[in-house]
Amino acid sequence: NAGVTQTPKFQVLKTGQSMTLQCAQDMNHNSMYWYRQDPGMGLRLIYYSASEGTTDKGEVPNGYNVSRLNKREFSLRLESAAPSQTSVYFCASWGQGAHGFGNTEAFFGQGTRLTVV
Amino acid sequence: RKEVEQDPGPFNVPEGATVAFNCTYSNSASQSFFWYRQDCRKEPKLLMSVYSSGNEDGRFTAQLNRASQYISLLIRDSKLSDSATYLCVVNRAGNTPLVFGKGTRLSVIA
Repeated sequence: NAGVTQTPKFQVLKTGQSMTLQCAQDMNHNSMYWYRQDPGMGLRLIYYSASEGTTDKGEVPNGYNVSRLNKREFSLRLESAAPSQTSVYFCASWGQGAHGFGNTEAFFGQGTRLTVV
Repeated sequence: RKEVEQDPGPFNVPEGATVAFNCTYSNSASQSFFWYRQDCRKEPKLLMSVYSSGNEDGRFTAQLNRASQYISLLIRDSKLSDSATYLCVVNRAGNTPLVFGKGTRLSVIA
């Protein structure tokens, strides 16, 4: 099925460990985003990429890095995880649905539930 | 002031009730408006886009008031399955990222 694929679904890290969250979309979208969602805080933008080769900081970029490897893939890296980074992370892409049809909207991955202990 | 603001609720309503959510946005340059639905522990999904003329999809009606900078969502004849968090989403233009409200939680009770 076309859409946004995000891995892993769950992860537990120890403080100071590093990890990369992977995201890929097969809808040929230019724009991709990483959000985190915490209780009572809504979705907050970490980084976004308006097109292949460009990335920009969002509202809460500290402690994160991103790579737009190609048009399909946009990864999020935690270099030294901290308990404050315990959250649910969503990757999204913006554009029309599969095969260029349908509404222009944001399509989300299923989320990564990250716990840092 | 947050760019997109919503009443967090929760709204607890009986089945069959009509419920309305409002959302205000601060950036007058905003161009596209949406309502997303998010079920517990799931990703957000598009419920409906909001057009200047207003639009309806079954039991759901969305309205946009550019002069007052608010968006509304009306749900008629609420079902148990409507229980979810409803996110107001605004896009300024072009490649700028979407801005999400914190969401309004709805619980429909039998």
